Amino acid sequence: GQQVMQIPQYQHVQEGEDFTTYCNSSTTLSNIQWYKQRPGGHPVFLIQLVKSGEVKKQKRLTFQFGEAKKNSSLHITATQTTDVGTYFCAGPPNDYKLSFGAGTTVTVRA
Amino acid sequence: DTGVSQDPRHKITKRGQNVTFRCDPISEHNRLYWYRQTLGQGPEFLTYFQNEAQLEKSRLLSDRFSAERPKGSFSTLEIQRTEQGDSAMYLCASSSPDTQYFGPGTRLTVL
Repeated sequence: GQQVMQIPQYQHVQEGEDFTTYCNSSTTLSNIQWYKQRPGGHPVFLIQLVKSGEVKKQKRLTFQFGEAKKNSSLHITATQTTDVGTYFCAGPPNDYKLSFGAGTTVTVRA
Repeated sequence: DTGVSQDPRHKITKRGQNVTFRCDPISEHNRLYWYRQTLGQGPEFLTYFQNEAQLEKSRLLSDRFSAERPKGSFSTLEIQRTEQGDSAMYLCASSSPDTQYFGPGTRLTVL
C-alpha cells in the first residue's frame, strides 16, 4: 500500500533561522495536504496542493509539490516560537482517506 | 462552535471494559472519518462514512471495534473488551468533500 515518509523526524531550530521538511510518497499522489499539530492538540489543516510543481505560500510558510507528484516540501523562514509543533503531510490513496507520514516535530530555541 | 466536537476528551478504563466515543461533525459535512494516533506517529485511518453508509474499514479495526453513524449525523465508535494496546488518541474528522477537519480527539487509556 501507499507509504508516506517524512524527514527529518525532529527539527531543532534557532529562532529566526529557516528550515525545510520533506515528504516522499511511494506512489503518485492526486494531491497532498499538510497539517500542523501543536503539543497536546489535534491536526489542523494548513494547505492542499494539487498540481504538479505547485508552490503555495502562507506568510512565512512555503509549500511545494514535486513535478512527479510523489514528493512535497514545507519551508519555514525566520522561525518563531509559534511554529513549534508537528507538521504532517498526508496523501490520499483513494478519493477520501488520508495516509499520514510520521511527521516532523519542530522545537525552537529562543 | 462550528467545528468537529468529540466526547469524552479523556477516558480511562480497565482492560476488558467496553467504551464508546462520540463525534459530532461539522453540520454540512457528509463525510466522516475515524483515525487512531499513537505517540510519535501520524493519524492512522480506521473507518469512513459517507452520510450513514460505512464505506471502508481498515484492517486495524478488529472485530472488537464497531462504528455507526445513524441518520448521517453524529457517529459513535465502540471498543469492546478493551486491551492495553487500544490506548491511543482517537480522532474524528469530517469533510465536504476533500479537506478534512479534525476534532480535538478522545484520549483513551486502558489500565
